[in-house]
Amino acid sequence: ETGVTQTPRHLVMGMTNKKSLKCEQHLGHNAMYWYKQSAKKPLELMFVYNFKEQTENNSVPSRFSPECPNSSHLFLHLHTLQPEDSALYLCASSQEKGTGDNSPLHFGNGTRLTVT
Amino acid sequence: AQKITQTQPGMFVQEKEAVTLDCTYDTSDPSYGLFWYKQPSSGEMIFLIYQGSYDQQNATEGRYSLNFQKARKSANLVISASQLGDSAMYFCAMREAQGAQKLVFGQGTRLTINP
Repeated sequence: ETGVTQTPRHLVMGMTNKKSLKCEQHLGHNAMYWYKQSAKKPLELMFVYNFKEQTENNSVPSRFSPECPNSSHLFLHLHTLQPEDSALYLCASSQEKGTGDNSPLHFGNGTRLTVT
Repeated sequence: AQKITQTQPGMFVQEKEAVTLDCTYDTSDPSYGLFWYKQPSSGEMIFLIYQGSYDQQNATEGRYSLNFQKARKSANLVISASQLGDSAMYFCAMREAQGAQKLVFGQGTRLTINP
């Protein structure tokens, strides 16, 4: 496999469920990201991990809990979500070289989440 | 404040014609990067082209070119000889050197190529 792989592609869950989204990158990158894409809104950055350390939490509610066990894997644990959390969740990775670097992000296909 | 503005919600173009997708941006950081992404209906965000704020030449990648006008703070994407497979959402995005790896996106433009 190449690039950034996200599973599952589609997920339907009730508000009381607990589920996890998985992301794996095969590009040897050192940074990983979670973005949320809602209808009619720009993509919103949720979390950033550098070398497995979380460096950015963009005021995301605690019902979203990220986990980065290594530089290749990123998870988003979900619990007690709300219907307005229904969206496309995109994972991305990049190779960061230092402050001021403008490396492109490489995205996965996303997980389409529906909260009922 | 909106950092990236894409004023065209939708564009319709005949196959083989060239198309320009507009993007303006707002930043006070002298060092920044501008990116264009394509998102087909499958959902994947595909990186197309990059322009650095200090680059003297406009970026080109195959049929894609970026018309970078720094003084006007615009970074329009030009697609030459459009193809049916170019139909997708297109997003302009920016990273600032002081932005802690935040890639900020515009609202996007839906491009439809007609045969």
